[in-house]
Amino acid sequence: ILNVEQSPQSLHVQEGDSTNFTCSFPSSNFYALHWYRWETAKSPEALFVMTLNGDEKKKGRISATLNTKEGYSYLYIKGSQPEDSATYLCAFNNAGNMLTFGGGTRLMVKP
Amino acid sequence: NAGVMQNPRHLVRRRGQEARLRCSPMKGHSHVYWYRQLPEEGLKFMVYLQKENIIDESGMPKERFSAEFPKEGPSILRIQQVVRGDSAAYFCASSPQRGGNEQFFGPGTRLTVL
Repeated sequence: ILNVEQSPQSLHVQEGDSTNFTCSFPSSNFYALHWYRWETAKSPEALFVMTLNGDEKKKGRISATLNTKEGYSYLYIKGSQPEDSATYLCAFNNAGNMLTFGGGTRLMVKP
Repeated sequence: NAGVMQNPRHLVRRRGQEARLRCSPMKGHSHVYWYRQLPEEGLKFMVYLQKENIIDESGMPKERFSAEFPKEGPSILRIQQVVRGDSAAYFCASSPQRGGNEQFFGPGTRLTVL
């Protein structure tokens, strides 16, 4: 059984704050690490697919880093806005076909 | 380009009935994945299919659950003789090819078993 952990489980920040959260995953048999943004009653939306150790990816105010040797990825949000409120999921892909998801970090940004 | 479509969005069944959940992948995608989210739990992989083939069903319960992805038409997840414990949100995702490419998710079907 693959263990993918995310922390914290939930996070409350003020508008304008920058924040980050962690995804840890097995460091063996790594193929890709996926980040998704999931708003209630909507489809999970793909943010990043990261494959190389040391990868850094950025989309607007959101960025992510990857360390495959130690088995962790960070997601950063700069200057959080209320519309960033969502659950952020990471998922580990070991070159099988399935994604193993973490429990998610639920972010709430207060105006 | 329409995204992944799932229907119905909500399905209510009584114990013992059958549930059929449909998933139409994005245009050009030949790989379909089904995931389930039980109450208070995360998304868990169920099955991976390509057209007319089940590639990996390691996450499927051994009984009552089956999946298909025919040459024509949507992928179907079928649950026979539903029980209350089958109540969950069922998500479908598709990708153009296997491996590390991102999987695009549908909006899910919420199954409630009375």
